[in-house]
Amino acid sequence: DTGVSQNPRHKITKRGQNVTFRCDPISEHNRLYWYRQTLGQGPEFLTYFQNEAQLEKSRLLSDRFSAERPKGSFSTLEIQRTEQGDSAMYLCASSLDLLASTQYFGPGTRLTVL
Amino acid sequence: AQTVTQSQPEMSVQEAETVTLSCTYDTSESDYYLFWYKQPPSRQMILVIRQEAYKQQNATENRFSVNFQKAAKSFSLKISDSQLGDAAMYFCALTSTMYSGGGADGLTFGKGTHLIIQP
Repeated sequence: DTGVSQNPRHKITKRGQNVTFRCDPISEHNRLYWYRQTLGQGPEFLTYFQNEAQLEKSRLLSDRFSAERPKGSFSTLEIQRTEQGDSAMYLCASSLDLLASTQYFGPGTRLTVL
Repeated sequence: AQTVTQSQPEMSVQEAETVTLSCTYDTSESDYYLFWYKQPPSRQMILVIRQEAYKQQNATENRFSVNFQKAAKSFSLKISDSQLGDAAMYFCALTSTMYSGGGADGLTFGKGTHLIIQP
């Protein structure tokens, strides 16, 4: 399968713990996006990378959220000191670095904070 | 700020019939792109159809077509000959810039429309 992959698919954690999610984009895609989707809502844009550069991070929900893409390949999204309100589906998408390039989504990581 | 509004939380259609999902949007940009994505239950989101705002011709993809009314900021999706596999959440989305060199923005999504196909 050469699509966008995300791991883990499900994560259950206790409030206050740190969690990290991984996204592997389609191999030739150098743009990578993170979104959060809560129940009954559409995805909400969080951050964006072009290669290893994080070009947009003002939409990250708080300073507890951070993302990296160290070598311009896979990316990680970390949430520190998780809160119950962080429970959501976290989606990753990737695209080519071309005008009007379509974003292809991964299956998401569902986070449950107890 | 950009907004996308889907006013139909749920729609139901008989198999083989035609259904139209509504979407309105707001943006101050003159150059933007509109999308319809489909999210089946417990499956990943996939692109159904896209429309460049500078194109007057409505996009079509097999049984899927859009009615793009730029002045009214309306972007509806028509599904013809509905099939059981069309059952899903449908999201309308908008982005204003998609070129390299920075400033590329993520997609702004509506809340979605749950489409039910009645056999």
